[in-house]
Amino acid sequence: NAGVMQNPRHLVRRRGQEARLRCSPMKGHSHVYWYRQLPEEGLKFMVYLQKENIIDESGMPKERFSAEFPKEGPSILRIQQVVRGDSAAYFCASSLEPGPALYEQYFGPGTRLTVT
Amino acid sequence: GENVEQHPSTLSVQEGDSAVIKCTYSDSASNYFPWYKQELGKRPQLIIDIRSNVGEKKDQRIAVTLNKTAKHFSLHITETQPEDSAVYFCAATAGGRGSTLGRLYFGRGTQLTVWP
Repeated sequence: NAGVMQNPRHLVRRRGQEARLRCSPMKGHSHVYWYRQLPEEGLKFMVYLQKENIIDESGMPKERFSAEFPKEGPSILRIQQVVRGDSAAYFCASSLEPGPALYEQYFGPGTRLTVT
Repeated sequence: GENVEQHPSTLSVQEGDSAVIKCTYSDSASNYFPWYKQELGKRPQLIIDIRSNVGEKKDQRIAVTLNKTAKHFSLHITETQPEDSAVYFCAATAGGRGSTLGRLYFGRGTQLTVWP
């Protein structure tokens, strides 16, 4: 049973470029969460999605950041016009359907974004 | 929103000793408290969790306790081994209120070092 997959693992972008981060949840999981981790800090919630729906995007900056989880294919976190402060590790997690199992989130390996 | 505080930020123990990491939370509606272990450059891995209807849970050398009245929970690792060295994060749910269901709030992490 494959775990949560993320790609690319490392991404380098110049200031002003766009970054697209992809996440494929665990098989059978329909809930996806994106978190950002700055060096030597904890994970900060960004956005929670189900297939074709954004459930909670209150942790995501309103400008330049967007996320989607289409009916087919991976979830995508998109950062437009990147700035140096966007450099961080971006982790995706997934969980099962609603119920007690909803809370158990399993993380992908992360994408380390470096903005030069 | 929920605020999770974690202490200590660093912890060094001798192999075979016990390690205790403590967290407090602010939202009395929180009902799920996972602990994650993150090795350098790797994904956070769920190691144990506890729900608000339970006071203690144990899994081999790892145990978690929860005091709902005081709003704090702790991770206990006994008979520590060098491979336990990692950063440990506590987390809490925002509680079952609407769209915030599912999002986790993380502490800032504890760097545990186990010396052989």
